[in-house]
Amino acid sequence: EAQVTQNPRYLITVTGKKLTVTCSQNMNHEYMSWYRQDPGLGLRQIYYSMNVEVTDKGDVPEGYKVSRKEKRNFPLILESPSPNQTSLYFCASSFKWGFNQPQHFGDGTRLSIL
Amino acid sequence: QKEVEQDPGPLSVPEGAIVSLNCTYSNSAFQYFMWYRQYSRKGPELLMYTYSSGNKEDGRFTAQVDKSSKYISLFIRDSQPSDSATYLCAMSAMAGAQKLVFGQGTRLTINP
Repeated sequence: EAQVTQNPRYLITVTGKKLTVTCSQNMNHEYMSWYRQDPGLGLRQIYYSMNVEVTDKGDVPEGYKVSRKEKRNFPLILESPSPNQTSLYFCASSFKWGFNQPQHFGDGTRLSIL
Repeated sequence: QKEVEQDPGPLSVPEGAIVSLNCTYSNSAFQYFMWYRQYSRKGPELLMYTYSSGNKEDGRFTAQVDKSSKYISLFIRDSQPSDSATYLCAMSAMAGAQKLVFGQGTRLTINP
């Protein structure tokens, strides 16, 4: 089954404790992206990757890191999480970047930073 | 001012009604327009996409773009309870730009 898998689905942690949210897709997609979704603000792009070893900042990259060493994986790293990073996070992928390329989203990771 | 504005609702209508969902935007460079549907506890899924001004129909769904007014709409005919979801508009400046800008989403409930 074609899918984007995020782990964990839920995490409660404390300020400053490094964490990684994994994202994996099994569709051989080139383009991958991370978003955060907050009430009243909608989906905002954090980072994206056009292909292996090619990443770039989205609208809200501060406090996040990413890497793309393999095509299928695009982990999101919070080196020193803070409460303002409490949010619902989505990973998405598409075959290539393009408006007519449907982005397939994972089911989300709800992070709470205390 | 946000680049894309969308009434968050919630919007509640009876089954069979015609639903109109709308977004306005400020960036005149936007040319590609999309609608995503998001069910509770799920990621968004692409519903429709369209380029520039005009209408596009897909079954019970019609997407409409008016670039002169910077206004896009999604119409749902013969609405069903299974259409209950949050609907997000999204837009992009050009095909090569790697950035989608989303509205905040409208929460829709169709009552049987």
